[in-house]
Amino acid sequence: DIQMTQSPSTLSASVGDRVTITCRASQSIGSWLAWYQQKPGKAPNLLMYDASSLESGVPSRFSGSGFGTEFTLTISSLQPDDFATYYCQQYSLYPHTFGQGTKLEIK
Amino acid sequence: EPQLVESGGGLVHPGGSLRLSCAASGFTVSSNYMIWVRQAPGKGLEWVSIIYGDGYTYYANSVKGRFTISRHNSENTLYLQMNSLRAEDTAVYYCARGRRMLANWGQGTLVTVSS
Repeated sequence: DIQMTQSPSTLSASVGDRVTITCRASQSIGSWLAWYQQKPGKAPNLLMYDASSLESGVPSRFSGSGFGTEFTLTISSLQPDDFATYYCQQYSLYPHTFGQGTKLEIK
Repeated sequence: EPQLVESGGGLVHPGGSLRLSCAASGFTVSSNYMIWVRQAPGKGLEWVSIIYGDGYTYYANSVKGRFTISRHNSENTLYLQMNSLRAEDTAVYYCARGRRMLANWGQGTLVTVSS
């Protein structure tokens, strides 16, 4: 199985900050990567797909980049609604594995 | 708008069985790729299984041989039959739509495996 490793596991930041979360794959996955946001007690919500495509309805402060084995999710200016847990997911090979998550906390 | 509603979760003893359902509306289950994803309490997401429109299925190694994904076309419902349940199968189980990225998710149903 492809292993997905996110860093950091926890990130403390303030409203207005620019933050970046990294996701590394154990082998090349091309651009076959998605990012999700999850809030407590809720299902995940798709933010980005194909590494850098913004899902419809997602604010433009979210952006994604990367190819192969290293990917990033950037939030340009944190808003109060952005404090949540973020997951990357590869869909290059089955099983479509997820990263362990990055919890974004208020500093 | 596509909607997914899971049901069937509950408390089951180790070694027991449970069948989860995922009722879909706003789209046709049999024409889409349908997924089960689970999340153990306080843990991350784990991809479990997929069923294609043509019936092809794939399972994570952790559930292969114990879980079966299926669908009932006339009821527009996805299922997950879970047998030989273990404590480590305790999780919220989500159904979702999509072959690659998952844009539509249900609200989840909690399965607890405990004696």
